[in-house]
Amino acid sequence: GIQVEQSPPDLILQEGANSTLRCNFSDSVNNLQWFHQNPWGQLINLFYIPSGTKQNGRLSATTVATERYSLLYISSSQTTDSGVYFCAVHRSTLGRLYFGRGTQLTVWP
Amino acid sequence: GAGVSQSPRYKVAKRGQDVALRCDPISGHVSLFWYQQALGQGPEFLTYFQNEAQLDKSGLPSDRFFAERPEGSVSTLKIQRTQQEDSAVYLCASSRPSGANTEAFFGQGTRLTVV
Repeated sequence: GIQVEQSPPDLILQEGANSTLRCNFSDSVNNLQWFHQNPWGQLINLFYIPSGTKQNGRLSATTVATERYSLLYISSSQTTDSGVYFCAVHRSTLGRLYFGRGTQLTVWP
Repeated sequence: GAGVSQSPRYKVAKRGQDVALRCDPISGHVSLFWYQQALGQGPEFLTYFQNEAQLDKSGLPSDRFFAERPEGSVSTLKIQRTQQEDSAVYLCASSRPSGANTEAFFGQGTRLTVV
């Protein structure tokens, strides 16, 4: 299978700070998704980003497929951004997602 | 439906009891996945359906785990003779592969506690 590594494993920020989360993967992939897992356990779709850059409000993501990594940027962080951020990849158009172990983000007021 | 729906949200089972977890995918989504998430870990793949066909069950940890999707819509994950190590959150996801787009959407999960 594909190895997905996320860094850092833990991140503690003051409200208003910016942060960058990284996802490295070991093989070529067809697609990549970023999720936010809220305190109730729900995985919320943030980005579907096999390549290129996308922005959604204070969040943006960039995937460089040829170099096998993706970055998630969070600007002006808020306490509601707290939770675990997962990166997951698809190797083909069918079949499973491979998940990283996540980045636990804590934002303090 | 508007999203992936799972029930029950919480289940407490006595060791040795059988449990059944239900997943109702987004309407029109042909692909359905089950994942298991232990505390502090990322979701781990269990099994995958394309319509009613179970195409990959390589992640099922033992023969006590069984999944079905008889009509290509609702799916049930059954765990027989539950053990303490089965305690986890069970997540269901669905997608409707369209060309290269395979974006998956997850339900809220079922938290299973085996006592």
